[in-house]
Amino acid sequence: GDSVTQMEGPVTLSEEAFLTINCTYTATGYPSLFWYVQYPGEGLQLLLKATKADDKGSNKGFEATYRKETTSFHLEKGSVQVSDSAVYFCALSDKSRYSTLTFGKGTMLLVSP
Amino acid sequence: SQTIHQWPATLVQPVGSPLSLECTVEGTSNPNLYWYRQAAGRGLQLLFYSVGIGQISSEVPQNLSASRPQDRQFILSSKKLLLSDSGFYLCAWVTGSGGYTFGSGTRLTVV
Repeated sequence: GDSVTQMEGPVTLSEEAFLTINCTYTATGYPSLFWYVQYPGEGLQLLLKATKADDKGSNKGFEATYRKETTSFHLEKGSVQVSDSAVYFCALSDKSRYSTLTFGKGTMLLVSP
Repeated sequence: SQTIHQWPATLVQPVGSPLSLECTVEGTSNPNLYWYRQAAGRGLQLLFYSVGIGQISSEVPQNLSASRPQDRQFILSSKKLLLSDSGFYLCAWVTGSGGYTFGSGTRLTVV
């Protein structure tokens, strides 16, 4: 079945550091890929998405590129802020199963001033 | 506008007690609806999804059940809670562009 693997955290960075959170996936067909963010005590919010190979999703300074050849969708940001501290989830959507989402386990990001 | 409501926000229930969590959406019709659970130290697990009234697909055999009595209402239930049912429960629906909108979640603690 489908699966998503993302790097374990926590990832601890200083403000203005460069961020990479790795995400790889296994899926049949051509899934859509997503990054969701969960701030402390809150539900999930869509951060960015990509629906086909070589698409780049971007939002709030975060970027991720759908790489079919390496089955990856790594999240990057050039300069993190304290307010970016949250848990980040990589996910894929299986259109053949009514768009059910398969999530990675999440990566906690802690940014210190 | 399209919104999703989920309640209660937090719940503490004793083992063996029943459970009912409700989710409703506004501003859309015939949405695909989902229940996910996030257990401590684990990722999000799909529990149930529904593509229409009265239709429920179960992903993981467990102590929970779901129902969809109305087009925009999705209910998660249990007759007798277990300690292992503790977690953060999220309702979601899929927008026309294929993106998910999640409710604010219910944190359930079974004691």
